[in-house]
Amino acid sequence: GQNIDQPTEMTATEGAIVQINCTYQTSGFNGLFWYQQHAGEAPTFLSYNVLDGLEEKGRFSSFLSRSKGYSYLLLKELQMKDSASYLCAVRDRNTGGFKTIFGAGTRLFVKA
Amino acid sequence: DTEVTQTPKHLVMGMTNKKSLKCEQHMGHRAMYWYKQKAKKPPELMFVYSYEKLSINESVPSRFSPECPNSSLLNLHLHALQPEDSALYLCASSQIAGGRPDEQFFGPGTRLTVL
Repeated sequence: GQNIDQPTEMTATEGAIVQINCTYQTSGFNGLFWYQQHAGEAPTFLSYNVLDGLEEKGRFSSFLSRSKGYSYLLLKELQMKDSASYLCAVRDRNTGGFKTIFGAGTRLFVKA
Repeated sequence: DTEVTQTPKHLVMGMTNKKSLKCEQHMGHRAMYWYKQKAKKPPELMFVYSYEKLSINESVPSRFSPECPNSSLLNLHLHALQPEDSALYLCASSQIAGGRPDEQFFGPGTRLTVL
């Protein structure tokens, strides 16, 4: 089966760095995505990892270790607008890669 | 044009009504998706179309009927829904590269309430 675990909530201070962890179990790993979702809005794509290592995009970085079934999203120089839910999602090769399983999301609160 | 549009934004319907949700993208994406999302829950996959053919149906009840008239359009026909079907319905699309889909672009969603 497939399972994705993320912390339910995190709180961090404006200007700080926060790391959101994600662990997953799947029989056919074919890539991991991070999405940001503000309340009442659609998810927006942040990052993609398919090979081990770190991918950096501006203030956001994402890391993957396939052997450990582990990823994290790193947010630097936090801003108030970063308060949102962050969804870890795994693409499943067993369906030709067309099925993406979403974790329950981590709600991040950024305080002044 | 780099967005996915969905209509209507909000829909209230009775359990005997028939309605349709519409989704459109002009990014040339050949994979399109319907998701259902309840409050404070992640999106749940319902259907996937690739190259205008239904490739995944996640055991969705037949009161939900998807249709992909062409590569830019995706519809979800609703009939005899239940109050528990009230949710945010998200459409998404993605490019297919090397036989596998890239990241998904989501539409703003249709907030559906079934009375």
